[in-house]
Amino acid sequence: GQNIDQPTEMTATEGAIVQINCTYQTSGFNGLFWYQQHAGEAPTFLSYNVLDGLEEKGRFSSFLSRSKGYSYLLLKELQMKDSASYLCAVMDSNYQLIWGAGTKLIIKP
Amino acid sequence: DTAVSQTPKYLVTQMGNDKSIKCEQNLGHDTMYWYKQDSKKFLKIMFSYNNKELIINETVPNRFSPKSPDKAHLNLHINSLELGDSAVYFCASSQGTSGGGANVLTFGAGSRLTVL
Repeated sequence: GQNIDQPTEMTATEGAIVQINCTYQTSGFNGLFWYQQHAGEAPTFLSYNVLDGLEEKGRFSSFLSRSKGYSYLLLKELQMKDSASYLCAVMDSNYQLIWGAGTKLIIKP
Repeated sequence: DTAVSQTPKYLVTQMGNDKSIKCEQNLGHDTMYWYKQDSKKFLKIMFSYNNKELIINETVPNRFSPKSPDKAHLNLHINSLELGDSAVYFCASSQGTSGGGANVLTFGAGSRLTVL
């Protein structure tokens, strides 16, 4: 079966750095997405990786290793507004998205 | 505003009733989706339409019927509502389905359905 694993919850301190991991087992691979979802709101797109390596976008970076079935989302200089759930999703060989359950990130002052 | 808009935002109804959720996107996207997010926060695809044609129809009770009058609209009708249908339903759209940036989803704000 197809599976996406990510930690259920993480806690970090304002101003610090946090890394949210995602491992996947899917039928084929056509890219990995990260979305942010604040409580009671819709998911919003953060990043897309299809090749191995690091993609940087301001305070957020996303890394992919296809051979290891692994990705992480790195958030730097954490702000209170970064408290949210972070969803990892992989596009399989049929171009269907397989979603993880999300990681709830709690930022403490 | 360019966006995906869905109505209503909140829906409280009794078991056995029939209800509809409407969705419209003005992004010029070709593909629209309905997702269900339950209390455990899993996002589960229900349906996907590409240019008004059904392309994904996951294992969903046939009480759920999508309708796409044009590529900018995808409505969801639910018959004989059950307690287990209580969830947040998200409409989303993407440029296409062929991979890469074309598959980035833009979500509507969600419709929280509560069945009593």
